[in-house]
Formats: sequence, C-alpha cells, structure tokens
Amino acid sequence: EDQVTQSPEALRLQEGESSSLNCSYTVSGLRGLFWYRQDPGKGPEFLFTLYSAGEEKEKERLKATLTKKESFLHITAPKPEDSATYLCAVPKARGGYQKVTFGIGTKLQVIP
Amino acid sequence: DSGVTQTPKHLITATGQRVTLRCSPRSGDLSVYWYQQSLDQGLQFLIHYYNGEERAKGNILERFSAQQFPDLHSELNLSSLELGDSALYFCASSAGQGVIHEQFFGPGTRLTVL
Repeated sequence: EDQVTQSPEALRLQEGESSSLNCSYTVSGLRGLFWYRQDPGKGPEFLFTLYSAGEEKEKERLKATLTKKESFLHITAPKPEDSATYLCAVPKARGGYQKVTFGIGTKLQVIP
Repeated sequence: DSGVTQTPKHLITATGQRVTLRCSPRSGDLSVYWYQQSLDQGLQFLIHYYNGEERAKGNILERFSAQQFPDLHSELNLSSLELGDSALYFCASSAGQGVIHEQFFGPGTRLTVL
C-alpha cells in the first residue's frame, strides 16, 4: 500500500533556529513529490515540485531536497510567519489510474 | 489567491440532508480534484475530473457524487449526510490531465452536519 509519512508531527522552533522536516514514502514508480504549506482553515498553497532524486529547489527560507526514499524541507532562520502545516504529497500513476497521496503534515510553530 | 474559487465558504446542515458544493478552477485549467480533510486527518482524495470526464476515484462514498460541467466548474454532491461527514472540502485544479502537474487549491468549504 502506498504510504507517505511525515515527521515530526509537530515542531516548535525559536525564531532563527533552523531545522528540517522529513517526508518518507513507499510509492512504487515515483513520478515526483510535492510540498505544500497550509494555514489553519485555508487551502494548501503549492511550494515545490521535485521530479527526481538529487533535485533541490529553494524559495526564500525554504529548501526542498529529494532522495529515492525521502524528501526534506529545510527551513533556514525561520520567522513567525513561517508557522503553518507543511504537507508533502506523492503522485502516482498506474495504467489509467492516477491519484495524489498526501502526508498528514508537520505542524510548525515559530516563536518570536 | 490561487485563482480557484469555492462556494459556499461555510455550510451547516442536519443529518440526512443533501448539499452541493461548487468549485470553479483556475482559468485554463482542465482538471478538478476534490478532497476531504477531517480534523487531525490528512487530505483524502475523493475524485478527479478532466475536461468533463471522470478520471479517477479515491475514497469517495457512494452517497457522494460529482460532475464537471462544460464550462469546467465542478460540483460535489453529498447526500444522506452523517455526522462524520463534517469536514473541510477542498477542490484543486491543475493544467494537465496527469497527477504530475501541481494542483492549486481553493479556500475550501467547511461543512458541519448537526
């Protein structure tokens, strides 16, 4: 069964304290991986797509990396406005069937 | 603002009732996806339409149905509602047919079943 597991479930950081979020997956035939940010009560906001192992993408204080088994979202010198739930998602296509499996997310709180 | 719109924003109804949620995709996007997000649960994929045709079904109950119209807006119909159907319902749109295309989410409809 396809699984996407994110860790930790929750993370509390002081402003400026860098850290990493992990997304591991057991999806055969990986075609890419997405990262999203979700604020409470709002729709997920697209951040990155990573297509192949070794790929890296950056946006402001965020950097996403991908290996064959997992992805990391590195947050450098976070600010309180980075507080949100970060979701990773893995698309899968098999024959005519396609779906995206989302992890449950890491809830990040950045304290001033 | 993702460009995806959903109405209504909030919906409060009673068990056994039927409701319709509406979604308008981003301009030019042909794919619409529906997701359910319950408290402390991740996004659960319900159904995917591309250019009016159903492309994939996920964990969608038989009491739920959806369609995509010629103008590409989509509706999700939920019937015989139960307390457990209370959740946030999101639609997302993407440019292509395949799931490799990033999806852009609407603001969601919060459904409360009393």
